[in-house]
Amino acid sequence: GESVGLHLPTLSVQEGDNSIINCAYSNSASDYFIWYKQESGKGPQFIIDIRSNMDKRQGQRVTVLLNKTVKHLSLQIAATQPGDSAVYFCAENIHGGSQGNLIFGKGTKLSVKP
Amino acid sequence: NAGVTQTPKFQVLKTGQSMTLQCAQDMNHNSMYWYRQDPGMGLRLIYYSASEGTTDKGEVPNGYNVSRLNKREFSLRLESAAPSQTSVYFCASSGLRSGNTIYFGEGSWLTVV
Repeated sequence: GESVGLHLPTLSVQEGDNSIINCAYSNSASDYFIWYKQESGKGPQFIIDIRSNMDKRQGQRVTVLLNKTVKHLSLQIAATQPGDSAVYFCAENIHGGSQGNLIFGKGTKLSVKP
Repeated sequence: NAGVTQTPKFQVLKTGQSMTLQCAQDMNHNSMYWYRQDPGMGLRLIYYSASEGTTDKGEVPNGYNVSRLNKREFSLRLESAAPSQTSVYFCASSGLRSGNTIYFGEGSWLTVV
């Protein structure tokens, strides 16, 4: 899950296994959530998003689950591959409609073992 | 399609020096942003521009100024660099055509000594 410290939490998985990365968001008024992937030395890359009127959304090999009751977001990656190794950030929009107010989590480092 | 392009990629400054980070996007996006990222931290918003001609402060604006030069370009200026501004800076943009998803540049690594 997300960390409030300087050391990123790390998730280590075997190639081919499914990965689940968790995120606790802060504001019950948030209505838009995004997952980003950041590879070393690169900018964050959009993976998938979900609005608060949904509790699940699927993409290619990825699924985002939203539990508004406990303010929890998760990213599931199916059949994890070495190319999935990166830091994953969740982000929430706390002002609805204004993208400039995205608040990012600290990130989780995913390490895929061959 | 280059997306979001920012320069320079790397820069070393002495304390008190000034510099400008340049950013341009070719996606015809209305909104542009500057974030900083520190080790083990998420991205923090410095300034953003919701549309050409407007700029607003984000979470950590102190020590920075911005200029939305035109729809494509959004620059970030450090007037008097401090070691605390050593960071990786990311420019980003978003627009209706992209569903308001924010797209990031590749980053600018700035070290202030």
